[in-house]
This record gives sequence, structure tokens and C-alpha cells, in this order.
Amino acid sequence: ETGVTQTPRHLVMGMTNKKSLKCEQHLGHNAMYWYKQSAKKPLELMFVYSLEERVENNSVPSRFSPECPNSSHLFLHLHTLQPEDSALYLCASSPHIKTGELFFGEGSRLTVL
Amino acid sequence: GENVEQHPSTLSVQEGDSAVIKCTYSDSASNYFPWYKQELGKGPQLIIDIRSNVGEKKDQRIAVTLNKTAKHFSLHITETQPEDSAVYFCAASHPDSGSARQLTFGSGTQLTVLP
Repeated sequence: ETGVTQTPRHLVMGMTNKKSLKCEQHLGHNAMYWYKQSAKKPLELMFVYSLEERVENNSVPSRFSPECPNSSHLFLHLHTLQPEDSALYLCASSPHIKTGELFFGEGSRLTVL
Repeated sequence: GENVEQHPSTLSVQEGDSAVIKCTYSDSASNYFPWYKQELGKGPQLIIDIRSNVGEKKDQRIAVTLNKTAKHFSLHITETQPEDSAVYFCAASHPDSGSARQLTFGSGTQLTVLP
């Protein structure tokens, strides 16, 4: 496989559930990102990791918990979400934190009931 | 912080015609302006970018122009084809590094190329 791979592609969960989104990049990049994409709104940066260290947390509620065990893998742990958290969650990577070119995965479509 | 406005939100053109999407930004210190294309069911993909030290950049049927004085930049697609149908996002980055974590995105333009 090449590029940025996200699983699952679709997820439906209740407000009391705990689930995780997974992202894996096969590009040898050092930086990874989580974005939230809602209809008719700009992409919202949630978290940034550089070499497994979190360097950015854009005031994201604590019900979203990121984890970066190594430079190739990124997780987004979800618990006690709200219906307004329903969105497409996009993972991206870049060669390093200073590079603006992002390589996106295909996203995980999350629906919170 | 930076604010990026993108227009129009939807655009329909006949195959073979040109399409133009415009963005304005608020922070005069922004110096990196990428454009992303997002096809249905896929993630955004970088198609072209421009830095503030140039006014225009071309790549085959795609071109981007930048007016730093007016703080706006535009995407031009010539000889449009059905496969150009997608959502296009502009973005602006500040400061000098063009770091992805500094990117502010526009709200997107749904381009439809009619056969």
C-alpha cells in the first residue's frame, strides 16, 4: 500500500460508545494531522504531531483524544460524542512540520446518533 | 488570525469552457497559497500552489494568480473536462515557513462540468 490509509471509512456510534479512528501513512513522513470536515465549512485542524510529539491542539474538546505511537500511525479515540460531532474526519501527513503540502487520506465518515 | 473567503460556493460550466475560483485572505503576512481538489468519496489532493514571491504559476490546464496588494488569489482551469468536477479548496499559510499547521482553508467550491 502507498499513501495515507484511514479505517474505518464509515462509523456509526451512539453518544455513550467508545470508538477509535486509525490512520497509517506509508510515505515516510514525519508529521501527521487530524482535520474535521463538516458540510459547507472550511477544514478545521484538530491535532498536529511531529515525530510522535503533539505540537498543536486547536481547542478540541477532550472527548477527542489523539494518539501517535510512531511516525507512521495516528489514532483518534472517541468517547461520549455529541451529534454535532458527526463529520468527515481526515488524516493527513507531510514530509515534515515545516512543509505546507499535505497528503490526505480518504477520511472516516462519522455519524453520532 | 487569518480569514480566507472563497467564491463562488458552486460553479457550473460547459465542457471546454474555463472556470475561475477566487479567494481573498486577511493577513498580509501570509505567503503560501495552495489549492486542493477533493473528488467525491476521496480526500483533498494538492493540485497547485504559489508563494508570494511570484504572481502566476501554470501547470498544463491549471493556473493560479496572486495579487498581494489586493490580498486575493484565483484558480483558473481552462478547457474543462468532466473529470474536473470536484470540490476545490483554497488555503493560505503564515508565516514564512508555509507550515501545514498554519494553513487556513476556504469553505470550498463545488465545480460541475456539464457535458
